[in-house]
Amino acid sequence: AAGVIQSPRHLIKEKRETATLKCYPIPRHDTVYWYQQGPGQDPQFLISFYEKMQSDKGSIPDRFSAQQFSDYHSELNMSSLELGDSALYFCASSSRDRLYNEQFFGPGTRLTVL
Amino acid sequence: AQTVTQSQPEMSVQEAETVTLSCTYDTSESDYYLFWYKQPPSRQMILVIRQEAYKQQNATENRFSVNFQKAAKSFSLKISDSQLGDAAMYFCAYEPSGSRLTFGEGTQLTVNP
Repeated sequence: AAGVIQSPRHLIKEKRETATLKCYPIPRHDTVYWYQQGPGQDPQFLISFYEKMQSDKGSIPDRFSAQQFSDYHSELNMSSLELGDSALYFCASSSRDRLYNEQFFGPGTRLTVL
Repeated sequence: AQTVTQSQPEMSVQEAETVTLSCTYDTSESDYYLFWYKQPPSRQMILVIRQEAYKQQNATENRFSVNFQKAAKSFSLKISDSQLGDAAMYFCAYEPSGSRLTFGEGTQLTVNP
């Protein structure tokens, strides 16, 4: 079965640079979630989209922005990167028509800021 | 705001034995879902088991079962016949219907041969 795809899997950036993380949800899933997991921490919710509209917003810095496109893939844009942005970024997708409430997680993008 | 608490940062169990991981949560919602996720060293988030709050029957998935106490806001995970492959970080998570996941701090499970 198709899973959530995230690219790139690993990314190394310098401070003050920008980064773009991409997420391709499971086909026919209409909702995308972004989570940030720092070293030794639990995942923290950043933002979500339903049918290409922002549906919820969590602890996402103003330096970050995200959107969901017409093909339902989503991108997380991160500017003025800081050392503290080094983390594992997960994308998850789900369907409002799902029988069970479940978010399917991608493998994550590991961002390292030097 | 909803909170999820896992009071056991680390747990260990002997292979083939049973272990229980604890989780409590706080919410004013009546309709919600609870999950246990497993995160092995690969860092992939793997769903272990889910529980709908409106269901009184505890969920079971093979060797994994939960003890869901809605009034006490408690949601523990029992792993029977523990295997070496069960070693991982386990996260308890809460989700109001169709919304964001809120995770606990995690419990690192070690399985001793």
